[in-house]
Amino acid sequence: ETGVTQSPTHLIKTRGQQVTLRCSSQSGHNTVSWYQQALGQGPQFIFQYYREEENGRGNFPPRFSGLQFPNYSSELNVNALELDDSALYLCASSLGSLGREQYFGPGTRLTVT
Amino acid sequence: QKEVEQNSGPLSVPEGAIASLNCTYSDRVSQSFFWYRQYSGKSPELIMSIYSNGDKEDGRFTAQLNKASQYVSLLIRDSQPSDSATYLCAVEGNFNKFYFGSGTKLNVKP
Repeated sequence: ETGVTQSPTHLIKTRGQQVTLRCSSQSGHNTVSWYQQALGQGPQFIFQYYREEENGRGNFPPRFSGLQFPNYSSELNVNALELDDSALYLCASSLGSLGREQYFGPGTRLTVT
Repeated sequence: QKEVEQNSGPLSVPEGAIASLNCTYSDRVSQSFFWYRQYSGKSPELIMSIYSNGDKEDGRFTAQLNKASQYVSLLIRDSQPSDSATYLCAVEGNFNKFYFGSGTKLNVKP
């Protein structure tokens, strides 16, 4: 166990809806990164937050947004859900602005119908 | 061209053998490299990180990095059936972006 927690575990949403996923980082870690993992693929980097600021972003559209709170927990928000957004969403925490060694939470399985 | 390439496998090795997993990356400025293990239905688990050319050993695992060839490998000695999983190579690129390969599935046969 890494100490990174995510909620909810599973979620079913309808196309066009909005969703918020939550992550609590490992104790002492101040950086949180979010990934999308489709079945049979490696995780795809969405973005990273360090000390409440977005610190890096992958090739995801603006309808994917995030927040980091003073306690370093984080949210991933996805607006206007599409069928292709169905995936496992992973949160990883690390220490420092470079966010190197990342430790993953158990993930949230999102299904969009 | 993908940023990180891995052979999808499956790679099958007998119990007790050495498993060799390979990864190439495209961004020459990458400085940080990682190997993760992912069991079916679980999230990735960090095995090794490597930042300098050469070998880094941790128990039965050895990571090898060759920046000139843009090549990273993971050797697993004395492979066990419990090592059967998908192994993901990850590379940190510019601007704090992380890139994962699609993973190599390893089967260790008893």
